[in-house]
Amino acid sequence: EIVLTQSPATLSLSPGERVTLSCRASQSVSSYLAWYQQKPGQPPRLLIYDASNRATGIPARFSGSGSGTDFTLTISSLEAEDFAVYYCQHRSNWWTFGQGTKVEIK
Amino acid sequence: EVQLLESGGGLVQPGGSLRLSCAASGFTFTTYAMSWVRQAPGKGLEWVSTISQDGATPYYADSVKGRFTISRDNSKNTLWLQMNSLRAEDTAVYYCAKLVTPSTSRWFDPWGQGTLVTVSS
Repeated sequence: EIVLTQSPATLSLSPGERVTLSCRASQSVSSYLAWYQQKPGQPPRLLIYDASNRATGIPARFSGSGSGTDFTLTISSLEAEDFAVYYCQHRSNWWTFGQGTKVEIK
Repeated sequence: EVQLLESGGGLVQPGGSLRLSCAASGFTFTTYAMSWVRQAPGKGLEWVSTISQDGATPYYADSVKGRFTISRDNSKNTLWLQMNSLRAEDTAVYYCAKLVTPSTSRWFDPWGQGTLVTVSS
């Protein structure tokens, strides 16, 4: 089964900074990777699907890239509402999540 | 607007049972596979179970196989998760989620607000 490994576990940043989150798959997943954002007390929200497509209503400051085993979620300029936990996800035989990266205020 | 509303969570003793429900609205329920995903307190997301559009094909994570049963009633736009032989490690918020797209069922969008299941004596 494919394992998704996210890094780093935690990022401490200031508003306005550029953020790059990583998700690495244990074997190639082509471009079949999604990113979710989860704020405290809320359910996750789909941000990016098929590695680079923004979901409906997602601001343009969020972008995804990558293929094969290495993927990146970039937030071009952090806003206050972006401090959250971010998960990557893939479907092979089953549905698998990475362990998450927490983006916290520095 | 798509809405998913879970219910049925609560406190149950180890070995006990619980049935979760998810009422769906705002979309054609029969078009989409549906899933349950859980999140233990302070932990990450764990896929639990998925059911096909017609209800004929269920999928389960190894951690719940043989104990949990997913089902749906397309005439009532409702999804269920029957949980038996509950263990302390099943304690989590359980989310109902719609799978997109209908042909690939790859991504979860949207998610319900979740219902908390606590397994403790």
